[in-house]
Amino acid sequence: AQSVTQLGSHVSVSEGALVLLRCNYSSSVPPYLFWYVQYPNQGLQLLLKYTTGATLVKGINGFEAEFKKSETSFHLTKPSAHMSDAAEYFCAVNNQGGKLIFGQGTELSVKP
Amino acid sequence: DSGVTQTPKHLITATGQRVTLRCSPRSGDLSVYWYQQSLDQGLQFLIQYYNGEERAKGNILERFSAQQFPDLHSELNLSSLELGDSALYFCASSVGTPGGGYTFGSGTRLTVV
Repeated sequence: AQSVTQLGSHVSVSEGALVLLRCNYSSSVPPYLFWYVQYPNQGLQLLLKYTTGATLVKGINGFEAEFKKSETSFHLTKPSAHMSDAAEYFCAVNNQGGKLIFGQGTELSVKP
Repeated sequence: DSGVTQTPKHLITATGQRVTLRCSPRSGDLSVYWYQQSLDQGLQFLIQYYNGEERAKGNILERFSAQQFPDLHSELNLSSLELGDSALYFCASSVGTPGGGYTFGSGTRLTVV
C-alpha cells in the first residue's frame, strides 16, 4: 500500500530564508510524486510533479523538489521565502492506479 | 480559475438532511475524483469516476453516493447528514493518466448544524 509522510505539521521561516518541507513516501512500484499548495479558502494547486527522468524537478513560484529513490524522499525547497508563500503544502503519491494519496499537510508560516 | 467548477461554494444544512454537490470537470478531462478535507482526517479520497464509470472507491460512507453523467459532470450525494460530515468537499479532474496530476476545484464547504 502507498503512503506519504510529511514531517512537521507546521514550519515557520523568516522572509528570505530557505524553505524546506519534508516528504517521505512508501510505494511498491515506481511512484509518481506531487506537491500541491493550498491557500486559505481555496482549492489545491499543483506546484510540481515527478514522473520519470530528471530527479530534480522545478515548479511554479520558485519551488523545486528532488526525488531520492534511495531515501524514498521528495522534499520541497525554495531558496528564499516570500510572505506570499504562507500556505498549506501537501505531498502526494500515485502508484499508477489513478488515485492520489496525500500526506497530512505542512502549514508554512513566513515571518517578516 | 482552475477550470474545475464546484457548486455550491457553501452549504449549511441540518442533521438528517440530504444534499447534492456538483462538479464540472476541466474541459477534456475524463476522470473525476471526490475528496473530503477535515481538520482531523486531512484529505481523504472518496471516489473516482472515469468516463461515467466508477473506477476506485476510498473511504466513502454508505450514506454517500456519487455518479458521473454523460456530459462528464459529477454529483456527490450526502444523506442522513451528521455533524461529523461537516467538511470541505473537493472535486478534482484529470485526463486519467497517473502521471498527469489533478486539477482541483475550489471546494464546497458543508456545515451540518
